[in-house]
Amino acid sequence: SQKIEQNSEALNIQEGKTATLTCNYTNYSPAYLQWYRQDPGRGPVFLLLIRENEKEKRKERLKVTFDTTLKQSLFHITASQPADSATYLCALDNANNNDMRFGAGTRLTVKP
Amino acid sequence: SQTIHQWPATLVQPVGSPLSLECTVEGTSNPNLYWYRQAAGRGLQLLFYSVGIGQISSEVPQNLSASRPQDRQFILSSKKLLLSDSGFYLCAWSVQRDRQYFGPGTRLLVL
Repeated sequence: SQKIEQNSEALNIQEGKTATLTCNYTNYSPAYLQWYRQDPGRGPVFLLLIRENEKEKRKERLKVTFDTTLKQSLFHITASQPADSATYLCALDNANNNDMRFGAGTRLTVKP
Repeated sequence: SQTIHQWPATLVQPVGSPLSLECTVEGTSNPNLYWYRQAAGRGLQLLFYSVGIGQISSEVPQNLSASRPQDRQFILSSKKLLLSDSGFYLCAWSVQRDRQYFGPGTRLLVL
């Protein structure tokens, strides 16, 4: 069966450190993978999209890697700040249908 | 620019009552539309998606139904709510099968 697993339900780090979140998937062949941020009581907000032929993508303090052999994406936030505290979701396109599938998310807390 | 609206923001309904949640999108044509449910502390569960007027795909057999009477309007309904229907309902749109833009959500509590 298809699965999307994000490494941990919660991750706590100190301000200034790099946060690394993991997204693993099975029985998907996604053309691209996306990361979203969700704050409590709000809808997810799109952050980054990386295509299957791209190894890495960066946007300001964010970096995403995509390894289709390992079936894994890593999401990094460098020089983390308390304002980065949120739940981060990975999502894969579902080639069989016209939709995307989301992981359960990792709740990141950055402590000052 | 594009915007997405959902209402109501919060809803408390008794078990067995009907439900109608509405989602509208402005500033784009023929969007793909989606309904998700998110239980407390859980991930997003895709309920329905639509690629055009009158075209609805259901992902999970359940007590809910969806309709798309207009290009930029998506409605989630139920004839009789169950306790298990409680959750955070999110509507989203996309142009292609890539990034999705989410509405503010409706928090539904069934008592």
